[in-house]
Amino acid sequence: DQQVKQNSPSLSVQEGRISILNCDYTNSMFDYFLWYKKYPAEGPTFLISISSIKDKNEDGRFTVFLNKSAKHLSLHIVPSQPGDSAVYFCAADNQGGKLIFGQGTELSVKP
Amino acid sequence: ETGVTQTPRHLVMGMTNKKSLKCEQHLGHNAMYWYKQSAKKPLELMFVYNFKEQTENNSVPSRFSPECPNSSHLFLHLHTLQPEDSALYLCASSQGGGGQETQYFGPGTRLLVL
Repeated sequence: DQQVKQNSPSLSVQEGRISILNCDYTNSMFDYFLWYKKYPAEGPTFLISISSIKDKNEDGRFTVFLNKSAKHLSLHIVPSQPGDSAVYFCAADNQGGKLIFGQGTELSVKP
Repeated sequence: ETGVTQTPRHLVMGMTNKKSLKCEQHLGHNAMYWYKQSAKKPLELMFVYNFKEQTENNSVPSRFSPECPNSSHLFLHLHTLQPEDSALYLCASSQGGGGQETQYFGPGTRLLVL
């Protein structure tokens, strides 16, 4: 049973518009959430994280929102750029460094 | 070199071969991890080392044998693998000591077992 789910395998967005990537989780014990970006033939690159005591964290064009009651988090990228085209993974920390990853969402930003 | 490096980047091996994957981190971290990513599947945690001690073995078959000689180096020894073990193997490191830590990944080794 998958504890972290990204239900959209792909997303296509126009350059300059907002990209919204979604992630759902089932375990209320998760206390730290991370987003990673992955290009082909490279390892995942850390983007942004959020602790369960917060509901929003912002870093430049990237904002992560956490809704604990809905067990849902989302990553907003605005404005989207062609270089943002990649696979995005959300991950949840199961208390102690054991990250559980979603399946990933492939984002395509079209010029 | 900076960050987390992995060698080799690509590996093809037969089922009777023995090979090793190497990971090195230059971040001064104390925790290191092995993950497996099979096609169309999420990353799966395999092993965790904290301060050179193995703290997690996520029910990994014994044909995968990790080794952590010091906080900067991590190996994954491979022995009599199966074709279904073909995957991307990723190494990561973090500060260590528990708490809410960010893990930093290497580029991975793409393994093909024939």
